[in-house]
Amino acid sequence: EAGVVQSPRYKIIEKKQPVAFWCNPISGHNTLYWYLQNLGQGPELLIRYENEEAVDDSQLPKDRFSAERLKGVDSTLKIQPAELGDSAVYLCASSLEGGGNYEQYFGPGTRLTVT
Amino acid sequence: GDSVTQMEGPVTLSEEAFLTINCTYTATGYPSLFWYVQYPGEGLQLLLKATKADDKGSNKGFEATYRKETTSFHLEKGSVQVSDSAVYFCALLKAAGNKLTFGGGTRVLVKP
Repeated sequence: EAGVVQSPRYKIIEKKQPVAFWCNPISGHNTLYWYLQNLGQGPELLIRYENEEAVDDSQLPKDRFSAERLKGVDSTLKIQPAELGDSAVYLCASSLEGGGNYEQYFGPGTRLTVT
Repeated sequence: GDSVTQMEGPVTLSEEAFLTINCTYTATGYPSLFWYVQYPGEGLQLLLKATKADDKGSNKGFEATYRKETTSFHLEKGSVQVSDSAVYFCALLKAAGNKLTFGGGTRVLVKP
C-alpha cells in the first residue's frame, strides 16, 4: 500500500513569492493534516480536514496561508506571499478515524527555503 | 495548554549500549501517548503507543510505559544498533479534536 505522498520534496523561493505544496493521503483515509516543523522542533498542526471540511484551522495563519481539499482526497497548502520565517518542513499526514483508531501516517515532507 | 517535554539531544551511544529518552507531559484528562521516529530523509513513523495508565507500548525492541503518577512516557531500548540512529519524538493525543502535540525531538546517533 502506498504511503502518504507529498510533492515537491524541496522548494527554494525568494521572499514575497507564492508557493504551493501537494499531498495525496493514503487511499481511504478520511482525515488529512498539515503540520509545520521548524528546524530542531516537533511538528505543529496547521489544519485538519475531515473529508472536505476543515474542522480545525485555528493555527493556520490565514493572512498568507490557505489550504483546500477538493473531493476529500488530495490537498494543497499555499503560502502567498512567502516570508523568510516560513522556511521549514511542511508535513502532511492522514488517518482513518473510527473505532478508536487515531494513528496518523506521515509523508516525507516538503522542505521550504525562503531566501 | 497541553505540552510535551523531552530530553534534548544529541544523544551519542555505542552499538549495544542502553538507550533512555525521557519524556514528560502536561495535559488535562487522559491522553494517549506515542513515540514517533524519523529516519534521515523520511517521514515520521509511529514506533509505539499507550492509550491508558500503566500500559506498556513496545516495538522493535523499544519500550515505554505510561506513568500517570509521574506524567511520563520514557523510551528505552536495551541494546541499540547503528540503524536506530534517528530523531525520536514523544507526543500526546487528546481524543477530542484528534490533535497530536509533539515534543521537540531527540536526535540519537549510534556509533559502531
